[in-house]
Amino acid sequence: GAVVSQHPSRVICKSGTSVKIECRSLDFQATTMFWYRQFPKQSLMLMATSNEGSKATYEQGVEKDKFLINHASLTLSTLTVTSAHPEDSSFYICSAIMTGDGGIETQYFGPGTRLLVL
Amino acid sequence: SQQGEEDPQALSIQEGENATMNCSYKTSINNLQWYRQNSGRGLVHLILIRSNEREKHSGRLRVTLDTSKKSSSLLITASRAADTASYFCATDLSGYSTLTFGKGTMLLVSP
Repeated sequence: GAVVSQHPSRVICKSGTSVKIECRSLDFQATTMFWYRQFPKQSLMLMATSNEGSKATYEQGVEKDKFLINHASLTLSTLTVTSAHPEDSSFYICSAIMTGDGGIETQYFGPGTRLLVL
Repeated sequence: SQQGEEDPQALSIQEGENATMNCSYKTSINNLQWYRQNSGRGLVHLILIRSNEREKHSGRLRVTLDTSKKSSSLLITASRAADTASYFCATDLSGYSTLTFGKGTMLLVSP
């Protein structure tokens, strides 16, 4: 079945540094990917929609200059947390949409990236 | 194997009718969450119900959880055409970022 990977799986960084998280669709092309964050024991919160070849669409309240998204190819979207602070510590999850026969869309989730900002 | 399995896979109803979707899972959970997704859009969180809760309401939504049967249901009352979307359940096993999603129920509400 279709697989979505994320790298790194976990990262610890110092406050003020930037962290890049990659989301790859391994065996299919995805024109649309989504980025979510999740706090402990909370639900997923949609951050932005990543569209290949165009600017990402951010949800209300998500700072686009803080969370830079680049969807440079049909198999890769990156989320860069700029000038990370401890409050950015969270679990970041991406998902990718695969369009199959007949236009049927199936969503596949990555395993997530755990970010800890010290 | 899938942790969360929604049932039915597709549901077609008329406006004003109630829509019920079910979710079954296999292992013990910390909480169960329901999400909605419109075509081409990301998931939107609807309701989170914890393992020690049995029922939760939010507007026209009602979620039940039966941990003995390892199942949950999402009821949308007085449905509207705008409720047309896919609905997913997700189980959180440890309470931190181990969400496992089912394949979803595609709901179509006709005017």
